[in-house]
Amino acid sequence: GQQLNQSPQSMFIQEGEDVSMNCTSSSIFNTWLWYKQDPGEGPVLLIALYKAGELTSNGRLTAQFGITRKDSFLNISASIPSDVGIYFCARRKVNAGGTSYGKLTFGQGTILTVHP
Amino acid sequence: DTEVTQTPKHLVMGMTNKKSLKCEQHMGHRAMYWYKQKAKKPPELMFVYSYEKLSINESVPSRFSPECPNSSLLNLHLHALQPEDSALYLCASSQPQGAQYFGPGTRLLVL
Repeated sequence: GQQLNQSPQSMFIQEGEDVSMNCTSSSIFNTWLWYKQDPGEGPVLLIALYKAGELTSNGRLTAQFGITRKDSFLNISASIPSDVGIYFCARRKVNAGGTSYGKLTFGQGTILTVHP
Repeated sequence: DTEVTQTPKHLVMGMTNKKSLKCEQHMGHRAMYWYKQKAKKPPELMFVYSYEKLSINESVPSRFSPECPNSSLLNLHLHALQPEDSALYLCASSQPQGAQYFGPGTRLLVL
């Protein structure tokens, strides 16, 4: 019940194309986070989602918190070479006491390659 | 400012050495974390400090010893590590129910 399924595992696209990736789970969550990680660097927070149905944009990035609270997607429009990296979804589940101390579960990542 | 800093950037140590990793944030976050990450894998949680108290230890071997001297600093003391402990060690911080912000990491190589 704690697994996150992130897909696709990898994508090879041409510069200018749009990209879509998603994460699904069998459990309900109250937070979805999307990160991008460059080689040898720490993950950088792209978008945070806190409400079911929430749709949030950050430049060319758009992410949505699924209405069932079990999934989320991330779209990148008009990709550019610097979009290359590994994209991780992550979620936090509220524990029985109502607090969670931010313990995250990550998806396995989507490796994005952009050809100029 | 959403910056978390980590030092050193790279570390090479022998199995008998003692070293420390350092992390600092000035965002007023009251939760801080240590993660271990292997290549092309997601980060794995090691420890969580909340309000300067250790709240989660994910069954990490005792050769890793965390310390939180104050609300802005987090250390990870390393002693008698094994080659399989070589990895990218990431620090993160957040408000207890907020998004986590990661530092750039320390690349550790144990010989």
